[in-house]
Amino acid sequence: DTGVSQNPRHKITKRGQNVTFRCDPISEHNRLYWYRQTLGQGPEFLTYFQNEAQLEKSRLLSDRFSAERPKGSFSTLEIQRTEQGDSAMYLCASSLKHTGPRTYNEQFFGPGTRLTVL
Amino acid sequence: AQSVTQLGSHVSVSEGALVLLRCNYSSSVPPYLFWYVQYPNQGLQLLLKYTSAATLVKGINDFEAEFKKSETSFHLTKPSAHMSDAAEYFCAVSDRRLGNQGGKLIFGQGTELSVKP
Repeated sequence: DTGVSQNPRHKITKRGQNVTFRCDPISEHNRLYWYRQTLGQGPEFLTYFQNEAQLEKSRLLSDRFSAERPKGSFSTLEIQRTEQGDSAMYLCASSLKHTGPRTYNEQFFGPGTRLTVL
Repeated sequence: AQSVTQLGSHVSVSEGALVLLRCNYSSSVPPYLFWYVQYPNQGLQLLLKYTSAATLVKGINDFEAEFKKSETSFHLTKPSAHMSDAAEYFCAVSDRRLGNQGGKLIFGQGTELSVKP
């Protein structure tokens, strides 16, 4: 299977604990995105990487959140001191940036990691 | 700032009936436009996208959407609903302007489609 994979699929944690999620993109894709989806809402953009560089971060990404993509392949999203409001589905997507200024690059989504903070 | 509004959080149709899911966007420049489908406990799957001059876009599973600049709309239709179409549908936009090519998606709130036998 060459799709986007995310681990774990489900995570239950207690308030105040730290959690880390992993995303493995499609192998040749150089862009990687993180989104958060709460119940009954559409996904909201958190951050994205081009290769190992983090190029944009949403204001939703508080200082308790940190994302890395150290070698330009897989990425991790860490949430420190979790709060009940962090409960959501965390989605990862990847795309291949083609050359050319006006080429749209389709994003392929993983199955998500569902976080429940008790 | 760009935004997306999906009219109707829940739409119910009978099997074989027309499906119409509404999406309106707000953007200073016509953006790229997308429809995604999400089945329970799964990620998002791209149904179709508008990225070029062709305003009527055909996607998978007989879905299509028409970009209407004057109405800032990108409604999704399917002539005949099937039970397997029951899912959550999201409209999304992405900025096409030079210098904003990061490609992040801005999603609407979603429309849950139910199909009655």
